[in-house]
Amino acid sequence: EIVLTQSPGTLSLSPGERATLSCRASQSVSSSYLAWYQQKPGQAPRLLIYGASSRATGIPDRFSGSGSATDFTLTISRLEPEDFAVYYCQHYGSSLFTFGPGTKVDI
Amino acid sequence: EVQLVESGGDLVQPGRSLRLSCAASGFTFDDYAMHWVRQAPGKGLEWVSGVTWNSDNIAYADSVKGRFTISRDNAKRSLYLQMNSLRAEDTALYYCAKAPGAHTSTWYFFDYWGQGTLVAVSS
Repeated sequence: EIVLTQSPGTLSLSPGERATLSCRASQSVSSSYLAWYQQKPGQAPRLLIYGASSRATGIPDRFSGSGSATDFTLTISRLEPEDFAVYYCQHYGSSLFTFGPGTKVDI
Repeated sequence: EVQLVESGGDLVQPGRSLRLSCAASGFTFDDYAMHWVRQAPGKGLEWVSGVTWNSDNIAYADSVKGRFTISRDNAKRSLYLQMNSLRAEDTALYYCAKAPGAHTSTWYFFDYWGQGTLVAVSS
């Protein structure tokens, strides 16, 4: 079973700054099956990125995803006030779906 | 606009059963696989179960296998989760989530989510 580890646990930044979030898999995975979600307090998760680097419908281009094999990155180029949230990576493989523990981006 | 509305959450005693429902609108329901994902209070996300468009493929997390049953009624545009032998660790907000495609080859992420229904298991 693949385990996803996200770092850092919390990222304290200011609006306008760049955020770099890491997701590491316990073994090599296909980038086709790596997704990122944003969750704000009291809200459902929202799909940001799928296939490691493809933005979902309606997602601003300040969000970008990259990576391969065991190391994946979500980058927010310039933080907007509404971007402060928890971000989860997720992988699919062998009929199982796993999520990372999340990275909280706060002010 | 895609809408997923969950219902059926409640406070139940350990060992009891509960059935969750998810009503879908805004898309052709029987063109897509569907999933249940849960989130314990203050915790992260955990995938529970998924079903393909015609129910020919179903998968469960090990934590619920043998206790939970996912099903769908395409005529009613609805997804269900029958939860038996509930445990305290099943306490969570249960989300209904849509897959981007119909089959297991295209169900590998969740493109739309409902707002969730709360299940609390306690004596």
